[in-house]
Amino acid sequence: GIQVEQSPPDLILQEGANSTLRCNFSDSVNNLQWFHQNPWGQLINLFYIPSGTKQNGRLSATTVATERYSLLYISSSQTTDSGVYFCAVGPSSGGSYIPTFGRGTSLIVHP
Amino acid sequence: EAQVTQNPRYLITVTGKKLTVTCSQNMNHEYMSWYRQDPGLGLRQIYYSMNVEVTDKGDVPEGYKVSRKEKRNFPLILESPSPNQTSLYFCASSPVGANVLTFGAGSRLTVL
Repeated sequence: GIQVEQSPPDLILQEGANSTLRCNFSDSVNNLQWFHQNPWGQLINLFYIPSGTKQNGRLSATTVATERYSLLYISSSQTTDSGVYFCAVGPSSGGSYIPTFGRGTSLIVHP
Repeated sequence: EAQVTQNPRYLITVTGKKLTVTCSQNMNHEYMSWYRQDPGLGLRQIYYSMNVEVTDKGDVPEGYKVSRKEKRNFPLILESPSPNQTSLYFCASSPVGANVLTFGAGSRLTVL
């Protein structure tokens, strides 16, 4: 199956700092999503980004499908950005979709 | 409000006692799926459904059953729970073809 590696595993920032999270995957995919799991366990979809670049406020993401990686950028981090960030990749075809999740990057933002 | 609702949110049970975790979505999504989240193992898919009466196995289906009799509901059934099924469970839904997942709040299950 597809292997997904996220780095770094842990990240500690001061409020206001910028960061880059990386997701490497081992095979071609046509579906890649980034999620944030907040400290209360809730999973929120941040981006659906199988290729290209998207931005949403302070967050942006870039996927280079030919080189099998995706980057999530967090600018001017806030304490509410704390939590775990997951990428999920997989082939999706005809409605069938079995995503493989990375182990996540745990982010702590201190005030 | 568009959402995926799971119940119960917390449950402690004993080995062998059948239980059902319900999942309901109000977004008219065709695709629904169940995941379990375990420390060090991340999120893994248990079962998914592409539409009513269409279900298929994910990565870790052993010990679980599902049904999809209505578009909005996708219950997860543990016929004879065992301690290794102690986990945090998530239900998710998506429009088919888009596969952009919306997750429920999670159900923490402990099997003694």
